[in-house]
Amino acid sequence: DAMVIQNPRYQVTQFGKPVTLSCSQTLNHNVMYWYQQKSSQAPKLLFHYYDKDFNNEADTPDNFQSRRPNTSFCFLDIRSPGLGDAAMYLCATSRDQVGSPSPFTSAAGANVLTFGAGSRLTVL
Amino acid sequence: QKEVEQNSGPLSVPEGAIASLNCTYSDRGSQSFFWYRQYSGKSPELIMFIYSNGDKEDGRFTAQLNKASQYVSLLIRDSQPSDSATYLCAVLAGTASKLTFGTGTRLQVTL
Repeated sequence: DAMVIQNPRYQVTQFGKPVTLSCSQTLNHNVMYWYQQKSSQAPKLLFHYYDKDFNNEADTPDNFQSRRPNTSFCFLDIRSPGLGDAAMYLCATSRDQVGSPSPFTSAAGANVLTFGAGSRLTVL
Repeated sequence: QKEVEQNSGPLSVPEGAIASLNCTYSDRGSQSFFWYRQYSGKSPELIMFIYSNGDKEDGRFTAQLNKASQYVSLLIRDSQPSDSATYLCAVLAGTASKLTFGTGTRLQVTL
């Protein structure tokens, strides 16, 4: 089945020790997103790639970086994790960019997000 | 004012009853509206999306959109214990290229 796969599912790191989370997709979607979700909070968009174009959210800390070496893979790098970075990190994909000019393309699900299972990060 | 607001709950309904989940949004130019279900410790999964005013039905689920009043709701008929989860409302604002999520409403379906 086509899907979005995240690894690792659980990651424990020490304060300040770099972490890389990976996401792969077999959906051949153009857009890949990274969300951060803390307990009982809404998923918060960190950044997304539309094909190779990187789009960073204005309030995403510099501590968070991303790479998309090819269509199928996307990585989230946390350079110096702090205690406040403990969260579930969700990778998602969509066929087209959310906000595509015609909302009617959305009727076909073009900008529907498909989420991976998530990577839960614990910082000690 | 939050961009997307949901009552955090928990909303408790007996098995077989109708659960009604509500979501209001601030951007009048919002175009598209999505409901995701999230089980504890799991990732969100899409239930349905709606773009036009009115109702959209899919099995036991009905999404209702009222753009004039800026709210979208999700009705779950014949609620089952397996429906117990957090339901996230997500809105595609008219001026943004991202989905904004609400904090979710936790639904508990009791036996």
